[in-house]
Amino acid sequence: KAGVTQTPRYLIKTRGQQVTLSCSPISGHRSVSWYQQTPGQGLQFLFEYFSETQRNKGNFPGRFSGRQFSNSRSEMNVSTLELGDSALYLCASSSLAGAHEQFFGPGTRLTVL
Amino acid sequence: AQTVTQSQPEMSVQEAETVTLSCTYDTSESDYYLFWYKQPPSRQMILVIRQEAYKQQNATENRFSVNFQKAAKSFSLKISDSQLGDAAMYFCAYRSRRQAGTALIFGKGTTLSVSS
Repeated sequence: KAGVTQTPRYLIKTRGQQVTLSCSPISGHRSVSWYQQTPGQGLQFLFEYFSETQRNKGNFPGRFSGRQFSNSRSEMNVSTLELGDSALYLCASSSLAGAHEQFFGPGTRLTVL
Repeated sequence: AQTVTQSQPEMSVQEAETVTLSCTYDTSESDYYLFWYKQPPSRQMILVIRQEAYKQQNATENRFSVNFQKAAKSFSLKISDSQLGDAAMYFCAYRSRRQAGTALIFGKGTTLSVSS
């Protein structure tokens, strides 16, 4: 089974721009979660999508949004980028069976200049 | 709100030795899951081991085992016979069973170095 894939792997943007990151979950997984990882704040939960609906949301401003498509692929969008948005963005998928274990993708490294 | 604390920013161990990474958490819930994830330099997060709070028996996965003390809200990871490939950042994580969804709450992580 193929793992979680994220595209692009690296991205450089400037302040004020917007960015869209993509995540394809493991085949059969319908839950996709997004996390932001920074040296200062560590790993923080952004949001979770299940069956095209946002089920849970972390404490992030409205500039951060996401969506999920019928094939379970998910995108997250960050508008009006700020320097502080520079981070590794991790996507995780889950089958919601048992412990709802999450399987992570390799991440997208976003740098905002 | 739940919190997860890893008090050891860095740890080191020699090959073939045993090392224990500490994790404490705070929650008012009685039913939850705890996880240890490993993040090597490649940045790919890998699940190492999980523990269901309702199980008294400590989880074990090959060289990795946990010491789960529910009353003390402690969840340490023991790595036996350490190998060079164990060098990574280790994160302790909590997930509520009561709340819908899969959101994980992570600790700040412990960087483990392994020397030969």
